Amino acid sequence: QKEVEQNSGPLSVPEGAIASLNCTYSDRGSQSFFWYRQYSGKSPELIMFIYSNGDKEDGRFTAQLNKASQYVSLLIRDSQPSDSATYLCAAHYSGGSNYKLTFGKGTLLTVNP
Amino acid sequence: SQTIHQWPATLVQPVGSPLSLECTVEGTSNPNLYWYRQAAGRGLQLLFYSVGIGQISSEVPQNLSASRPQDRQFILSSKKLLLSDSGFYLCAWRVPNRDGIQETQYFGPGTRLLVL
Repeated sequence: QKEVEQNSGPLSVPEGAIASLNCTYSDRGSQSFFWYRQYSGKSPELIMFIYSNGDKEDGRFTAQLNKASQYVSLLIRDSQPSDSATYLCAAHYSGGSNYKLTFGKGTLLTVNP
Repeated sequence: SQTIHQWPATLVQPVGSPLSLECTVEGTSNPNLYWYRQAAGRGLQLLFYSVGIGQISSEVPQNLSASRPQDRQFILSSKKLLLSDSGFYLCAWRVPNRDGIQETQYFGPGTRLLVL
C-alpha cells in the first residue's frame, strides 16, 4: 500500500516568513514527487516537481527531497496572504505500466497579514 | 496549448438519480485520463484511469462507472446516486514534464456534486 502522509495543519505563518510544508512517503520505489496548491473551491494546480535528492528552487518556492529518509518538503519564502491554500504532496511510482499519483490529504496553510 | 474542460461545474441531484459528468481535453492526442473524487475532509481518491479509447481501469469498487468513447473524452456515470457520492470530482490528464523525463498530471476545473 503506497501512502503519502502530510500534517493536516492548519499551519499559520506571518506575512514575509518562511512556510515549511512536509510530506513523507511509504514506498521506496517512488521516484518523482509533486507539490500542488489548491485554493478553497478550486482544483489543484501544480507548483513544482522534484525527482533528484537535494533542493530545487523556483522563485519563492524550494522543494527538497531526501530519498533515504523518504521525505519531501516545500519551502515558501516571503510568504504572502495569497499563498493561503491547501498544499497537496503527491508521489509517482514508475514501476509497471500504471502511471498514477498517490496524494496526501494536504496541509492547510494560512498566511496572516 | 492543451486545455481540459469539465461540465457541469456544479450539480445537485437526488439520491437514486443517474449521473453523467463529462471531461474533454483539447490540444493533445491519446492522453492518459483520470477521474478523482475529493470528499469533504478527505484526500484525493483515484476512481478510474484510462490509457486509451475503451480502456478503463477501476481503482475503487463502487456504484460509479467510467467510459472513454473518444480519444479526448472521458465520462463518469452512475445509474443510482448515493449520499456518499457527494464530493468534488476532478478529471486529470497526464503529460510528460518539460524535461521529458517525468510525468505530471494536470487537473480540470472540477464538478461539485451534492447528492440530497
